[in-house]
Amino acid sequence: NAGVTQTPKFRVLKTGQSMTLLCAQDMNHEYMYWYRQDPGMGLRLIHYSVGEGTTAKGEVPDGYNVSRLKKQNFLLGLESAAPSQTSVYFCASSTGTGAYNEQFFGPGTRLTVL
Amino acid sequence: GQNIDQPTEMTATEGAIVQINCTYQTSGFNGLFWYQQHAGEAPTFLSYNVLDGLEEKGRFSSFLSRSKGYSYLLLKELQMKDSASYLCAVMDSNYQLIWGAGTKLIIKP
Repeated sequence: NAGVTQTPKFRVLKTGQSMTLLCAQDMNHEYMYWYRQDPGMGLRLIHYSVGEGTTAKGEVPDGYNVSRLKKQNFLLGLESAAPSQTSVYFCASSTGTGAYNEQFFGPGTRLTVL
Repeated sequence: GQNIDQPTEMTATEGAIVQINCTYQTSGFNGLFWYQQHAGEAPTFLSYNVLDGLEEKGRFSSFLSRSKGYSYLLLKELQMKDSASYLCAVMDSNYQLIWGAGTKLIIKP
């Protein structure tokens, strides 16, 4: 099992450009999450999904969109990138939001917006 | 607001014991998690506490006091590979994880 995979691993964008980050999991998990991690701050939830065809906003959703057309995939889009979106992006998945909800993380995507 | 506090950085010696503290104020409580994150890598799960007391797992133990809003992660017999950041996260009443900024642990020989 590959677990959670993310593509690309690194990307440099110019302000105003768009891109899509792809997350895939092979653990048949219902729940998937997109986080960003910035120096000196905790992981912050951007968007999440509780199942195929569903998405919901997290703590910092502005400037991002997501789609979950297939259970195993969760896409994060940046329509018009801004320097404030320079960050490391992690995708995670879990079986649910029960009292025990271990999240499995992908390796991350390092995004720089110039 | 919701808040998780951890020390920013700690230093310890190989073979010693270190305790990393975490205090929290959240809207509701559905468990506390500890994750380990090596530099440039993804976080990986270490432990979960939902009831008061100590959970032991090999060299690592995690303690929780819900009345005090307090947890600690205890690492024994420190090894160089334990150099990493340790993230405390609390699951709130909406079953969302609220994350601390992490504690960077530096192990010296």
